[in-house]
Amino acid sequence: ETGVTQSPTHLIKTRGQQVTLRCSSQSGHNTVSWYQQALGQGPQFIFQYYREEENGRGNFPPRFSGLQFPNYSSELNVNALELDDSALYLCASSLLLGLAVPNEQFFGPGTRLTVL
Amino acid sequence: TQLLEQSPQFLSIQEGENLTVYCNSSSVFSSLQWYRQEPGEGPVLLVTVVTGGEVKKLKRLTFQFGDARKDSSLHITAAQPGDTGLYLCAGLYEGTYKYIFGTGTRLKVLA
Repeated sequence: ETGVTQSPTHLIKTRGQQVTLRCSSQSGHNTVSWYQQALGQGPQFIFQYYREEENGRGNFPPRFSGLQFPNYSSELNVNALELDDSALYLCASSLLLGLAVPNEQFFGPGTRLTVL
Repeated sequence: TQLLEQSPQFLSIQEGENLTVYCNSSSVFSSLQWYRQEPGEGPVLLVTVVTGGEVKKLKRLTFQFGDARKDSSLHITAAQPGDTGLYLCAGLYEGTYKYIFGTGTRLKVLA
């Protein structure tokens, strides 16, 4: 069973640039969630994709967007980067069974984004 | 905005000591999870609690979900250096798919 992988592991961008982060889900999972984790804090929910549709969104501006592909891999795109976007970006895959049904999220190792 | 407060934020203890980490919210959750995260890695699920008052044990770790499903605790008995890491609680709101993570408790166990 292949785990969740993310690429790249590290990335340095300058303010105003755009970035695309990638995530490959665990086999058999139908859902990908993206989180932003600032240094020393817990992960903040960005959004979730279920069967290629956005299924919920946290308190992030529209310049944070995403995609989920038929093979359940996913991308997170961030436009017009700001200094505060510097963080660890985590994706988590899971098998969603229903509304408010607890499911186990399997996290990737994250992409460390630095915006200068 | 973090709606799950964890305490303490930092904890440094000697091997063999006991400790308790708390996770508190003003909201009711349908379920709550505890994760541990080590440097350079994503969080790893330790346990899920669903029923108010539920207690689960995982070796030396004991997890409890509050009766009102608004709070939870993690108790570690006889801590070991391998327990070092960032402990995160995450609550699932009723009627949603969204997990809200707590602020985290960074634990260091000294040999």
